[in-house]
Amino acid sequence: GQNIDQPTEMTATEGAIVQINCTYQTSGFNGLFWYQQHAGEAPTFLSYNVLDGLEEKGRFSSFLSRSKGYSYLLLKELQMKDSASYLCAVLDSNYQLIWGAGTKLIIKP
Amino acid sequence: GAVVSQHPSRVICKSGTSVKIECRSLDFQATTMFWYRQFPKKSLMLMATSNEGSKATYEQGVEKDKFLINHASLTLSTLTVTSAHPEDSSFYICSAPRQRGYNEQFFGPGTRLTVL
Repeated sequence: GQNIDQPTEMTATEGAIVQINCTYQTSGFNGLFWYQQHAGEAPTFLSYNVLDGLEEKGRFSSFLSRSKGYSYLLLKELQMKDSASYLCAVLDSNYQLIWGAGTKLIIKP
Repeated sequence: GAVVSQHPSRVICKSGTSVKIECRSLDFQATTMFWYRQFPKKSLMLMATSNEGSKATYEQGVEKDKFLINHASLTLSTLTVTSAHPEDSSFYICSAPRQRGYNEQFFGPGTRLTVL
């Protein structure tokens, strides 16, 4: 079966750095997405990785290792507004998005 | 960036009534749209894939007669929850993919359905 694993919840301090991991086992791979979702709102796009390596976009970076079925989202200089759920999703061989359950990130002052 | 709208944003209805939710791609055409359901503190659950000009593709376990999907144009898909019951109360989200070298999903703002 297809499976995406990410931690349920993480806590970090304002101004610090946090890394949210995602491991996946899917039928085929056509890219991995990270989305941010604030409570009661729809997800918003953060990043897309299809090749191995690190993609940096401002305070957020996303890393992918296809051979290991592994990705992480790195958030730097954490702000209170970064408190949200972070969803990892993989596009499988049928171009269907397989979603992880999301990681709730709690930022403390 | 691409925008997807969803209407209504919130609806409260009595048990047994039907509710229609609209999803529109505002500045791009979408031959395919996706309908998701999300329970509190849970991830998105794909309900069905809406295909313009043809029948929707439903995920296993999703009742076709209960969740009617119509994709009448390249910018509009509708989800009708028929004979709604309290267990249908949920957050419904649509998305439309737009090719940007990759298949990025643009999400609507979601519809909070409460069935009394």
